Amino acid sequence: DTAVSQTPKYLVTQMGNDKSIKCEQNLGHDTMYWYKQDSKKFLKIMFSYNNKELIINETVPNRFSPKSPDKAHLNLHINSLELGDSAVYFCASSLGTGPAVVYGYTFGSGTRLTVV
Amino acid sequence: DQQVKQNSPSLSVQEGRISILNCDYTNSMFDYFLWYKKYPAEGPTFLISISSIKDKNEDGRFTVFLNKSAKHLSLHIVPSQPGDSAVYFCAASANLTPLVFGKGTRLSVIA
Repeated sequence: DTAVSQTPKYLVTQMGNDKSIKCEQNLGHDTMYWYKQDSKKFLKIMFSYNNKELIINETVPNRFSPKSPDKAHLNLHINSLELGDSAVYFCASSLGTGPAVVYGYTFGSGTRLTVV
Repeated sequence: DQQVKQNSPSLSVQEGRISILNCDYTNSMFDYFLWYKKYPAEGPTFLISISSIKDKNEDGRFTVFLNKSAKHLSLHIVPSQPGDSAVYFCAASANLTPLVFGKGTRLSVIA
């Protein structure tokens, strides 16, 4: 199936731990994103990555870092997890930016991260 | 600061009737607007989009209207079906920037 897949679907971890969420797309898209949906249900952009150009939302703490081994993967690493990091994290991909956005992003099914 | 606002957190509509979901935005640089549909435990799914040079785009039962002067867009679903029950997100893009999303409106279509 062509899709954006992210793993794990659920992640429960203790404060202070380091964790990673993996994302892979087989759509041939060249831009990938990480979004965070917090308790208030807003979907907020964290990162976008296009042909090795990383655009960071300046409000994202530097404990969060994206890693892209190739065009099909954009993993999210989180260091020193805090309670406030609990949220649902969505990976997405698109066919470039600009006018291609009219075709929309394809989202993964989300990773629910709970920090205890 | 919310650049994309969906002021109605929920909406209930009877099956067969029209559902109208509203969205307001503040950034006049937005040039593309999109609607996404989201079921529980799934990612948002692209539904329909509109360019800022148009005022209407239709796809089957779904129509999006854009009023640039009012910085307002709406999604019309007619006729509404129980399977349309989901959270609908309005999103917008300015030039090359990633999509900015609203908070979502939960639509319940009652049989």
